[in-house]
Amino acid sequence: NAGVTQTPKFRVLKTGQSMTLLCAQDMNHEYMYWYRQDPGMGLRLIHYSVGEGTTAKGEVPDGYNVSRLKKQNFLLGLESAAPSQTSVYFCATWRDTGSDTQYFGPGTRLTVL
Amino acid sequence: TQLLEQSPQFLSIQEGENLTVYCNSSSVFSSLQWYRQEPGEGPVLLVTVVTGGEVKKLKRLTFQFGDARKDSSLHITAAQPGDTGLYLCAGAFSGTYKYIFGTGTRLKVLA
Repeated sequence: NAGVTQTPKFRVLKTGQSMTLLCAQDMNHEYMYWYRQDPGMGLRLIHYSVGEGTTAKGEVPDGYNVSRLKKQNFLLGLESAAPSQTSVYFCATWRDTGSDTQYFGPGTRLTVL
Repeated sequence: TQLLEQSPQFLSIQEGENLTVYCNSSSVFSSLQWYRQEPGEGPVLLVTVVTGGEVKKLKRLTFQFGDARKDSSLHITAAQPGDTGLYLCAGAFSGTYKYIFGTGTRLKVLA
């Protein structure tokens, strides 16, 4: 039982390059989230999904796209990376609104040069 | 716009001291959570409070939700080096499927 895993753990991009971050969960949770964490800013919600095939915008969605084609996977895409997207990205899952706990992945550290 | 403000932003204390971290907002939340995050890892849930005025204890940690459900505090008694980390509060609005996180308090407890 791996919980929540994120791929890759580290990545360095040049401005304008694209990439996809993968979040995978084996807990059969309905809700999945992508956050970014920057110094002094806490965690800010980028996009989230309340079920397979659905996505919604969070606080800071610009420059990112997401897809949830399978219940266990939530993909975060950067089509044209910018230095402002340098951050640590966390994925989280939540069973349902009756469950207290969000489970977080270990994070992906992305640097855009 | 940051809906949840935490204070202080940084705190460095000696082992054995007490401390309080605050989480404040002008918004009313249906529930509020506190997390601790270690370097290189994701946040881990400590507690969820849902009722105004509610107090929960977790060993040496005491959490309180404000009567109006707009603010919360975390009090640590006799801090230990193992308490070192980033403490985050997160609030949820009724009928939504998401939590909004605070700015974080970075605590360092010196032996």
